[in-house]
Amino acid sequence: KAGVTQTPRYLIKTRGQQVTLSCSPISGHRSVSWYQQTPGQGLQFLFEYFSETQRNKGNFPGRFSGRQFSNSRSEMNVSTLELGDSALYLCASSLATEGGYGYTFGSGTRLTVV
Amino acid sequence: GQSLEQPSEVTAVEGAIVQINCTYQTSGFYGLSWYQQHDGGAPTFLSYNALDGLEETGRFSSFLSRSDSYGYLLLQELQMKDSASYFCAVNEDQNFVFGPGTRLSVLP
Repeated sequence: KAGVTQTPRYLIKTRGQQVTLSCSPISGHRSVSWYQQTPGQGLQFLFEYFSETQRNKGNFPGRFSGRQFSNSRSEMNVSTLELGDSALYLCASSLATEGGYGYTFGSGTRLTVV
Repeated sequence: GQSLEQPSEVTAVEGAIVQINCTYQTSGFYGLSWYQQHDGGAPTFLSYNALDGLEETGRFSSFLSRSDSYGYLLLQELQMKDSASYFCAVNEDQNFVFGPGTRLSVLP
């Protein structure tokens, strides 16, 4: 079966711009989570969506937002990009409706802000 | 809030056994997961422990002690392809919080 698909794989943006990243979860998975990964900070939780509702949110500024559509596909948006937003953005989907089993991660979107 | 601690680096030789420890502090706890990530790749799920004890999956085993807020990943018969970063993650409600990761280097 198809895995978690993230697009685009690579992005270069300039400071002040905004960016939208897309994630298509595994068919049947209703939970989608987003993570930011940087060498210094590791994997940092951004937010989690389940059935179009944001269930949890990490400790990121309001410039980071997301949404989930009725087909479970999810997007995250970062506005007013800063150099420090350069990172690998990973999304993960899960069947879990109550905590439990492992996520399946996509290959990520590598965002570079210049 | 949550915090997890892991050793930053571990080095071992092919064929050896290595244990990667993880201690955690959380306000709520459902289970401990382990993920492997090769350079340039995505994290992949290895194992999950919700209850105390040892879970074995091939060469990999994972252990959890809820009373000690402690777990470990045990890798046996190490192979070069096991060189990667290993993350423990605490499942708290529907939120996974990852540890800082342990870089495992397997030497010939």
